[in-house]
Amino acid sequence: AQSVTQLGSHVSVSEGALVLLRCNYSSSVPPYLFWYVQYPNQGLQLLLKYTSAATLVKGINGFEAEFKKSETSFHLTKPSAHMSDAAEYFCAVHGGGNKLTFGTGTQLKVEL
Amino acid sequence: DAGVTQSPTHLIKTRGQHVTLRCSPISGHKSVSWYQQVLGQGPQFIFQYYEKEERGRGNFPDRFSARQFPNYSSELNVNALLLGDSALYLCASSFGQLGNTIYFGEGSWLTVV
Repeated sequence: AQSVTQLGSHVSVSEGALVLLRCNYSSSVPPYLFWYVQYPNQGLQLLLKYTSAATLVKGINGFEAEFKKSETSFHLTKPSAHMSDAAEYFCAVHGGGNKLTFGTGTQLKVEL
Repeated sequence: DAGVTQSPTHLIKTRGQHVTLRCSPISGHKSVSWYQQVLGQGPQFIFQYYEKEERGRGNFPDRFSARQFPNYSSELNVNALLLGDSALYLCASSFGQLGNTIYFGEGSWLTVV
């Protein structure tokens, strides 16, 4: 079975600081990995996805993630946080069909 | 182009009642899946349909059912509602299956009282 683990249910950064949200995966086959963002009272918006084409994946809003097979990780980063980045972030692994298995989420808080 | 659209956006039901939630996928997408997101948790997979056939089912009781229509839209039905069914129900669509980008709708907020 495939799964993801998100370390840190809450992360707080200052505006302009580096954002690092951690995700580790478990998969017996090469995984397809996704990061989604959820703003309050909204659905999920795709930030980026990894499908084995390149280990460094660039997404929307300045976010990127690096796939590291040796560490089974797919951490999400952004060089400089903005107040508008405050939201909940979910890492997910894609199994058979359309089944996404999500992590428990990381709430990002951006402070002035 | 329209994204994944869901209706209704909010609804309140009483325990024991039945609810039907609707989803229209992005034009051209043939795969639709449903997720339940309880407050404070990540979404949990309920069903996946591709080309009108059920292709996957999560760990949910038989009170939950779904179907996909010839135009690829979908319905999620929940019978005998329980308080614990209160959640955000998300519909997602993609063109195909494994590896395709999956897009989510804004969800249907269900409150069971």
